[in-house]
Amino acid sequence: GQQLNQSPQSMFIQEGEDVSMNCTSSSIFNTWLWYKQDPGEGPVLLIALYKAGELTSNGRLTAQFGITRKDSFLNISASIPSDVGIYFCAGPEYGGATNKLIFGTGTLLAVQP
Amino acid sequence: EAQVTQNPRYLITVTGKKLTVTCSQNMNHEYMSWYRQDPGLGLRQIYYSMNVEVTDKGDVPEGYKVSRKEKRNFPLILESPSPNQTSLYFCASTSSREMGYSYNSPLHFGNGTRLTVT
Repeated sequence: GQQLNQSPQSMFIQEGEDVSMNCTSSSIFNTWLWYKQDPGEGPVLLIALYKAGELTSNGRLTAQFGITRKDSFLNISASIPSDVGIYFCAGPEYGGATNKLIFGTGTLLAVQP
Repeated sequence: EAQVTQNPRYLITVTGKKLTVTCSQNMNHEYMSWYRQDPGLGLRQIYYSMNVEVTDKGDVPEGYKVSRKEKRNFPLILESPSPNQTSLYFCASTSSREMGYSYNSPLHFGNGTRLTVT
């Protein structure tokens, strides 16, 4: 099946720093989603992207749908301690069943106050 | 409050002892799914259900069973747990029309069940 690889696997930053992470696939995706998992909770949808080149913001978070349709990027500006968690990209399986989302390997973000 | 409820939150068991993790949602969602989360592997789908009495395998179904007798419930059954099933498990639900692909109908996750099989 399709796989989504996220980079970096983990990040340890100081409060106030900007963060960038990405998600790559060997196959084309028509939709990209970004989820955040707070410690001890389930993932929650942050941003949804629907066409190549699209740039969408949600507060301090900005995500982009890559032109090749095989990647997506998430940026967080001026990080704060509550940004801590695991960030997952996800997309619907392409060329096969459309009944499931494929999730990425996750990026763990730690923010030092 | 709209939510997906999983029980238990934590479970420690021994190899071979059958167990069930329950999942219930109060949003009248048709679609429900089970995932396992492992470090470095992200979330992998175990089984999903499009509606009552309709279930199908995800990417890692071996060693698991599910049933969907009622719309709100989707229990995960491990008939003979093994140590490689030690993981963090999530149940999720959404409207089948949007399939979790939009802000209007995202996947709603429970808070997880941490299972340890010794």
